[in-house]
Amino acid sequence: DAGVIQSPRHEVTEMGQEVTLRCKPISGHNSLFWYRQTMMRGLELLIYFNNNVPIDDSGMPEDRFSAKMPNASFSTLKIQPSEPRDSAVYFCASSPGTGTFHEQYFGPGTRLTVT
Amino acid sequence: AQSVSQHNHHVILSEAASLELGCNYSYGGTVNLFWYVQYPGQHLQLLLKYFSGDPLVKGIKGFEAEFIKSKFSFNLRKPSVQWSDTAEYFCAVNAPHTNAGKSTFGDGTTLTVKP
Repeated sequence: DAGVIQSPRHEVTEMGQEVTLRCKPISGHNSLFWYRQTMMRGLELLIYFNNNVPIDDSGMPEDRFSAKMPNASFSTLKIQPSEPRDSAVYFCASSPGTGTFHEQYFGPGTRLTVT
Repeated sequence: AQSVSQHNHHVILSEAASLELGCNYSYGGTVNLFWYVQYPGQHLQLLLKYFSGDPLVKGIKGFEAEFIKSKFSFNLRKPSVQWSDTAEYFCAVNAPHTNAGKSTFGDGTTLTVKP
């Protein structure tokens, strides 16, 4: 298996622009997670899905952020409008089951820079 | 809600030194425990995990961790570190009967091994 796939790997955009990050989880995995990592705040869970349904979005910083999972093999994280403080590495991770007896498999991340 | 505390933010060791990174969690019920490693510029990868059974867990690359339920701890150890162990290490806790599928991560410990 190719593992969790994220695109793009790097994104540089201007403040105010819309940014869409994409994630393809490992086939057969039922849970998907979006994280943000910065030096200041470390690793933060933004939102996670079980069986394509958002379970907990309490980590989403504000209304500018939205996430969707239209099917089991694809998820997006959108920021509109983007701001410089959104600059971070965004990781997607997937897990084999809706239960908790599995570790998470992380993607390579998208490094977002908002100027 | 569960929380995870990693007391050491930055550890600097010389090669061949022994390593112990602390991890404490706050949750009174059954937990699953994980250590992840993030090498520079890479994504998080699982080092080891504990679900049940022998509280001394052995992972990849010579790492091990011991679950001490009475102390709510899951410390990571390695008897002799190498320069290639330079990375950030995250402890994570998952409570199977709450927040199904969601793990709480510690703030991470940066390990620098001097050659």
